[in-house]
Amino acid sequence: GAVVSQHPSRVICKSGTSVKIECRSLDFQATTMFWYRQFPKQSLMLMATSNEGSKATYEQGVEKDKFLINHASLTLSTLTVTSAHPEDSSFYICSARSVTSFYEQYFGPGTRLTVT
Amino acid sequence: QKEVEQNSGPLSVPEGAIASLNCTYSDRGSQSFFWYRQYSGKSPELIMFIYSNGDKEDGRFTAQLNKASQYVSLLIRDSQPSDSATYLCAVIGTSYGKLTFGQGTILTVHP
Repeated sequence: GAVVSQHPSRVICKSGTSVKIECRSLDFQATTMFWYRQFPKQSLMLMATSNEGSKATYEQGVEKDKFLINHASLTLSTLTVTSAHPEDSSFYICSARSVTSFYEQYFGPGTRLTVT
Repeated sequence: QKEVEQNSGPLSVPEGAIASLNCTYSDRGSQSFFWYRQYSGKSPELIMFIYSNGDKEDGRFTAQLNKASQYVSLLIRDSQPSDSATYLCAVIGTSYGKLTFGQGTILTVHP
């Protein structure tokens, strides 16, 4: 149980284009989903918290107009990187928190984004 | 001061030994503490969580929490080469439900 999927697992795009990453909780309902970014040899940095049906809350320093988050249902959240640049190349990981457990987060497998 | 601090290592132990990983946190109001394992190129996987002072054991893993000292540790008994990974300490502080990660400790278990 508690499986989270992400799609795509890997994406290469050209500078200036937009990329959408999906995060799905497959066997549970998630009121809250989190989006993280991880650069090589660094830890996970929280980008934003999204709650179903409401606007995402972004961490300080994260551009909300660049990283668009939509959490339209209890099983799906999307992150759109708009006008991507090479410095946005990173490992993007989502996690989901079950409606039945406040503390435990289940991580997706991650999406490797490369912007050329 | 970082919110969650770990020794980045690398920590190298021989197969069969006990690996000891340490973590300190700054938010005294923190309530929940987690240890994740992350293999290179993969996302983190939860190993253990602990909420109360003392020890919590699960198989070869023991988490220890001392809230007075703001310290949490993970012991891995009978270490195996497959335990070689980066171990991330994470804390839920007073910020609503948000996990804050340490920088991770690289563990290498050599045969």
